[in-house]
Amino acid sequence: QKEVEQDPGPLSVPEGAIVSLNCTYSNSAFQYFMWYRQYSRKGPELLMYTYSSGNKEDGRFTAQVDKSSKYISLFIRDSQPSDSATYLCAMSAFGGTSYGKLTFGQGTILTVHP
Amino acid sequence: EAQVTQNPRYLITVTGKKLTVTCSQNMNHEYMSWYRQDPGLGLRQIYYSMNVEVTDKGDVPEGYKVSRKEKRNFPLILESPSPNQTSLYFCASSLYPPPTFHGLRAQYFGPGTRLLVL
Repeated sequence: QKEVEQDPGPLSVPEGAIVSLNCTYSNSAFQYFMWYRQYSRKGPELLMYTYSSGNKEDGRFTAQVDKSSKYISLFIRDSQPSDSATYLCAMSAFGGTSYGKLTFGQGTILTVHP
Repeated sequence: EAQVTQNPRYLITVTGKKLTVTCSQNMNHEYMSWYRQDPGLGLRQIYYSMNVEVTDKGDVPEGYKVSRKEKRNFPLILESPSPNQTSLYFCASSLYPPPTFHGLRAQYFGPGTRLLVL
């Protein structure tokens, strides 16, 4: 079983839709949760990061973490064609032998069509 | 301009022929890392380095070597490449190791190196 599971999609939605992207994980030591966005033929860029459980909002993006269920989500409101990209979740533990390591999900390919 | 550069961007080689992919950053970052990206598997960390002369294995280090002799450079070495190392490789750097990013623009990825091993 992979430490981090992410539905690869692809996901296709109309412009203006609410998009929900999700990851589950098995390692209870993960405390930091990140979302990356990767446009075609580009390197990933860090989109959001959260610590422990709860919500974090940044403009049209909301990241949610439910540590009890080992489940994280990224919501995109009022999706735009420019949001079309691959979205990767990533997780990390702080301290010990895991410090500096990032574990990624498989990535979800999102297409927002006009 | 703050950036991470990788060379070459594209490489076709044959099994067993040693190769090096270079990575360089101009931001005086302490932390650097190598990843490979394969369809259906996402990004997987190969090696990372907290600072000069300090390197650690990631999740898939087999078949790879790295060195960090100077802060700005972190080359990835494939001593004897095999077809299963055909992949898209990314180098990344940040001032602090994850998860202590201290800001969304704190981590930089290079443009990627597409490697085909025949």
